[in-house]
Amino acid sequence: EVQLVESGGGVVQPGGSLRLSCAVSGFTFRSYWMSWVRQAPGKGLEWVANIKQDGSEEYYADSVKGRFTISRDNARNSLHLQMNSLRAEDTAVYYCARGGSSSWCIWRWGQGTLVTVSS
Amino acid sequence: QLVLTQSPSASASLGASVKLTCTLSSGHSSYAIAWHQQQPEKGPRNLMKVNSDGSHNKGDGIPDRFSGSSSGAEHYLTISSLQSEDEADYYCQTWGTGTVVFGGGTKLTVL
Repeated sequence: EVQLVESGGGVVQPGGSLRLSCAVSGFTFRSYWMSWVRQAPGKGLEWVANIKQDGSEEYYADSVKGRFTISRDNARNSLHLQMNSLRAEDTAVYYCARGGSSSWCIWRWGQGTLVTVSS
Repeated sequence: QLVLTQSPSASASLGASVKLTCTLSSGHSSYAIAWHQQQPEKGPRNLMKVNSDGSHNKGDGIPDRFSGSSSGAEHYLTISSLQSEDEADYYCQTWGTGTVVFGGGTKLTVL
């Protein structure tokens, strides 16, 4: 069974940092593009970042570029999102998602972890 | 600029059919899209990927009641024999060079 389980969410002050993790199982992790997608309270889905199978390419939404870093550990079947200089507008549920082997179509989603940026 | 446009809301009666629309921005009509369903208080799930020629590949376990099609820049998700659990938000997604884009979502109400 394919599973993506996020962790690391919580409450952080503006300007602070947080590191999200996603543990995956049920598929060959190293074979797929991986993504982070977020959803602010009561709002729609917003793409955050993508990373290639071997970690050699990373892509970011303009709203997080320079502040967030996506990474992966294929030996541990895990995906990460390092979030720095957090702002109130980063408050959202963050989803880990699996893309395709050669496209960025999202085929699988995690259940999400809530990040709240508040003083 | 790559943009997806969806109507904010739709409604249909239990047992009926409904067709949701997702429109690609000008110059991007050849792009494939994906449809995702998000039931209340749950994470999204992939329903299918729809190619520009209208062919589609469904996600695991997606019932035959869900089907996809396309015509030019417009992509459609048709849900037949509506059930109460189909009441959800539906998002389309596409991707281009260095970016992924979601539509604003359509909130489907089953009457």
